Amino acid sequence: DIQMTQSPSTLSASVGDRVTITCRASQSVGNWLAWYQQKPGKAPKILIYKASNLETGVPSRFSGSGSGTEFTLTISSLQPDDFATYYCHQYNSYWTFGQGTKVEIK
Amino acid sequence: QVQLVESGGAVVQSGGSLRLSCAASGITFSNYGLHWVRQAPGKGLEWVAVASFDATEIYYADSVKGRFTISRDSSKNTLYLQMNSLRPDDTAVYYCAKDFNVQSRTSCPQFDYRGQGTLVTVSS
Repeated sequence: DIQMTQSPSTLSASVGDRVTITCRASQSVGNWLAWYQQKPGKAPKILIYKASNLETGVPSRFSGSGSGTEFTLTISSLQPDDFATYYCHQYNSYWTFGQGTKVEIK
Repeated sequence: QVQLVESGGAVVQSGGSLRLSCAASGITFSNYGLHWVRQAPGKGLEWVAVASFDATEIYYADSVKGRFTISRDSSKNTLYLQMNSLRPDDTAVYYCAKDFNVQSRTSCPQFDYRGQGTLVTVSS
């Protein structure tokens, strides 16, 4: 089974900060990697698919990069609506989520 | 507009059974693979099972294999999850999700982000 490890687990940041979340796979997943945002009590929302493709309607301050075993999600200028938990997800071999990164207000 | 509405969650004793349903609308049901994903209280997301768009491929997480059965009924546009031999660590909110891509063998889940899932509580 492919394991997905995110870092950090929690991130404290201020509005306007540039934020980067890293996701590492235990073996190559190619570019079959998605990023989700989840707010309390809500279902996850897809932000990025195939490692770097922005879902329609998602603000351009979000971007994804990487391939193989190392990926990043970057928020170029953190906005109040972005405080949430973010998950990476591989769908190359079965389906696996990372453990999540909570972005909280500093 | 895509809508996925989960139902069937309840409190059940350890060893018991439950069937969850997910009614889909706003999509051509037979064009999309469908997933179940769960989230234990205060924990992260765990992928549970998937049925391909044509129902020819079905896969399960190791944690539920042999206990859970995913199925889909195109006549009712509904996805099901039959859960047997339930354990306390199956306690979670269960979400259904469609494949992001149409008629794909390699797709990530896409949730109805307005959905709230259905809560399954397994008591010991």
